[in-house]
Amino acid sequence: RKEVEQDPGPFNVPEGATVAFNCTYSNSASQSFFWYRQDCRKEPKLLMSVYSSGNEDGRFTAQLNRASQYISLLIRDSKLSDSATYLCVAPSLYGGATNKLIFGTGTLLAVQP
Amino acid sequence: DAMVIQNPRYQVTQFGKPVTLSCSQTLNHNVMYWYQQKSSQAPKLLFHYYDKDFNNEADTPDNFQSRRPNTSFCFLDIRSPGLGDAAMYLCATSSTRGANTEAFFGQGTRLTVV
Repeated sequence: RKEVEQDPGPFNVPEGATVAFNCTYSNSASQSFFWYRQDCRKEPKLLMSVYSSGNEDGRFTAQLNRASQYISLLIRDSKLSDSATYLCVAPSLYGGATNKLIFGTGTLLAVQP
Repeated sequence: DAMVIQNPRYQVTQFGKPVTLSCSQTLNHNVMYWYQQKSSQAPKLLFHYYDKDFNNEADTPDNFQSRRPNTSFCFLDIRSPGLGDAAMYLCATSSTRGANTEAFFGQGTRLTVV
């Protein structure tokens, strides 16, 4: 099993739609998680951090379910500018400290006019 | 201001000719990572430094080496680049010392092998 797995893409949604991505992780000891956004040929940029049960920032909501070991990202009222690849990131414990970040395969979102 | 800087942004090298990519950071983060990202794929961790402690991923080819002479700088050396090594190479940093442990990325170096 991969350490971090994401929904396969691409997701094609109309403007204004609500879309949700899921991500599962295998390391039950992981404490913090991240969603990154990556535009074509650019570096990943942090979208949201998730340290407890969830986090909300405007149209974006991230939720963490430790019992089931998954993280979700919800995007409400999708905009054309939301089109990108969304990467789920979970830490992999090494030497007792959280210091290795593993990326999921990414989910491509295409918002259509 | 850029906090993680990679040089060069674009690198063209000949097949088999050693090449070095560089990364510097102004964040004083103790962890530095090198990822390889090929087209339509997620970033793949090659290795990372936890302070001075070097940690190689099991499936990273021997052709890839790294150096971290001090906290601020980290280098990726590709000893004999092959065509399959053409990719975007991303450097990232993070800290284990505070509450925020997210990674910050440089803009990447796009490597072409001819």
